[in-house]
Amino acid sequence: GPKVLQIPSHQIIDMGQMVTLNCDPVSNHLYFYWYKQILGQQMEFLVNFYNGKVMEKSKLFKDQFSVERPDGSYFTLKIQPTALEDSAVYFCASSPTASQNTLYFGAGTRLSVL
Amino acid sequence: AQRVTQVQSTGSSQWGEVTLDCSYETSEYSYLILWYRQLFSGEMVFLIYQPSFDTQNQRSGHYSVVFQKSFKSISLVISASQPEDSGTYFCALSELIGASGSWQLIFGSGTQLTVMP
Repeated sequence: GPKVLQIPSHQIIDMGQMVTLNCDPVSNHLYFYWYKQILGQQMEFLVNFYNGKVMEKSKLFKDQFSVERPDGSYFTLKIQPTALEDSAVYFCASSPTASQNTLYFGAGTRLSVL
Repeated sequence: AQRVTQVQSTGSSQWGEVTLDCSYETSEYSYLILWYRQLFSGEMVFLIYQPSFDTQNQRSGHYSVVFQKSFKSISLVISASQPEDSGTYFCALSELIGASGSWQLIFGSGTQLTVMP
């Protein structure tokens, strides 16, 4: 079936540095999401993105976070600067519609902030 | 407080029917409950969903749900489970957020299922 690809699968970075997590969504999908899962905890909604704009963001989406999808390429999550508490697995998802029963998730990028 | 609770953190079975439980809290009239399976690669695979307005239990392949709306409870039933069904199963509540008409998923903590040969 359709796949959402996340690159890289694991990223290790020093606290304070910038990191960009890349997501290659399913082609022709229009709605994009980032979710965050801290080890041992539930996956939690961060942000959704449609038509070039952030639609909604949760309280977890700090000012240091930003998302974009320039020219229909990768959907990216940038964290600048990173903090220790940003260590988590970040899941990207895409959907052709706003409906939640058509979401496709990637396998996640494990971010380790040292 | 957790909005979506999966009390079974782990479970095992040897073939046969498996039932995974989930309860949730919501004040919304309209919502969805979805089940996902997380593969060992980390990928989340959508399995089945139940709309709140539908009193009929949904079925999809060898997955079905037992939806008890008044108890805010939903169970995933895997019939004829096999070792390849092993993985972590997540229950998620879909709710509207904000004024944009967007939805978010609120996940449970998952149940790790092992089906032995």
